[in-house]
This record gives sequence, structure tokens and C-alpha cells, in this order.
Amino acid sequence: QQQVKQSPQSLIVQKGGISIINCAYENTAFDYFPWYQQFPGKGPALLIAIRPDVSEKKEGRFTISFNKSAKQFSLHIMDSQPGDSATYFCAASLSQGGSEKLVFGKGTKLTVNP
Amino acid sequence: DAGITQSPRHKVTETGTPVTLRCHQTENHRYMYWYRQDPGHGLRLIHYSYGVKDTDKGEVSDGYSVSRSKTEDFLLTLESATSSQTSVYFCAIARSSQETQYFGPGTRLLVL
Repeated sequence: QQQVKQSPQSLIVQKGGISIINCAYENTAFDYFPWYQQFPGKGPALLIAIRPDVSEKKEGRFTISFNKSAKQFSLHIMDSQPGDSATYFCAASLSQGGSEKLVFGKGTKLTVNP
Repeated sequence: DAGITQSPRHKVTETGTPVTLRCHQTENHRYMYWYRQDPGHGLRLIHYSYGVKDTDKGEVSDGYSVSRSKTEDFLLTLESATSSQTSVYFCAIARSSQETQYFGPGTRLLVL
């Protein structure tokens, strides 16, 4: 119930295309859903996040779509660029006793070809 | 990396030796976390701290201990390193439990 399942494991997209990464969760108590972007040799960095009271959030070329009834959320990268090539992690948080713990998906390695 | 440093950045050690990794922050954030990252497993929480001397276990805490005697430092100790603890270790900090976690640059540990 604590797991977040992420797919696909890897994704190859042409420059200008749309990249879509999907995540699913079981625990309905999760109340915060961030996406992290990680470049090789670096720590993950927050890209965009959503809370379950919103069905969609957009920041530039990055959009999170959230489907509460299906317990799924996805990241869409519009007009994908070679600089977007990185590993993307979805996550969900569960507040227990005031301490938020993030549960991560296993990651998606995105390659954007020029 | 949001005022977070990790040391050492790389370490090679032998099975059975103790190892201590350090996370240092200059942000005065209350929460600090240790994760390990392994291929096919993503990021898994080892231990976290919600204040000085206040710590709790995460998902994969066996074989690890932590200490936090100052707000700015969070130490992760492998009492007797094993090859299964070969991994990349990340520290993260957060202002509060409801706010974004910021990650450090990571420590690559190889246990031979």
C-alpha cells in the first residue's frame, strides 16, 4: 500500500515530441505528489508537484495530470528538448504524526533525441 | 543544491569496516533525510530526523544508524559495512514536513 508504481522504465522521444510518464498508487491517504528530475551525477531536484484537490497543474512545458478516482497521476513534457534528458521520479507523501515521508517510484530514464 | 553538502563524495571501503557519511546544511531546516538510490529501486528512505536528537526509521533502516546533535549536521553510520550497502546515498532537507525536500549531491559508496 506504500508503493508508487512508475512506468515506463525508459522512454525515448524525438525533439519536439511529447513525453508521458505515468504513476499509480494504492494508498488513498497520500496527499502530495511531487515529480523530481535527476541529471547524472546530481541529486534529484523538484520539478513540479500537485495536491489531490487539483486535477491538473502546468508549469511551462511540464504538466501534471491527476486522476484521484483512478489513483493515477502523470507527467507530460511538451515540446521535449535534448536538455530534458534525465531520470524522472514520481513520489507521493504520507503524513504520519506530522512527519512527511516521500515514497518514490523507481524512475523513468528519458532520452530526447535531437 | 540548496545549501546542502555531503562528505565524502566518494568512498571505497572493505566489508566489516564502519563508515560514517555526513550531511551538512546551511539552511536551518528542521527536517533531514537519508536515502539510498539503487538501480531498479529508485530512492528509498533509510532514516530521517525531525529535530535535534529526534530521529526515526525509514523503509530500509537495517544496518544503519543516524545521529543529529546539531541542526546543521545529520550523520549516517554503517556499523559494519556489507556489499549490499554499496549504493549512492543522498541527504535531503525540508523546512517542515509539508514542504519540498531538497537533495544534496550524493555520496557514492563502494563496499568491497
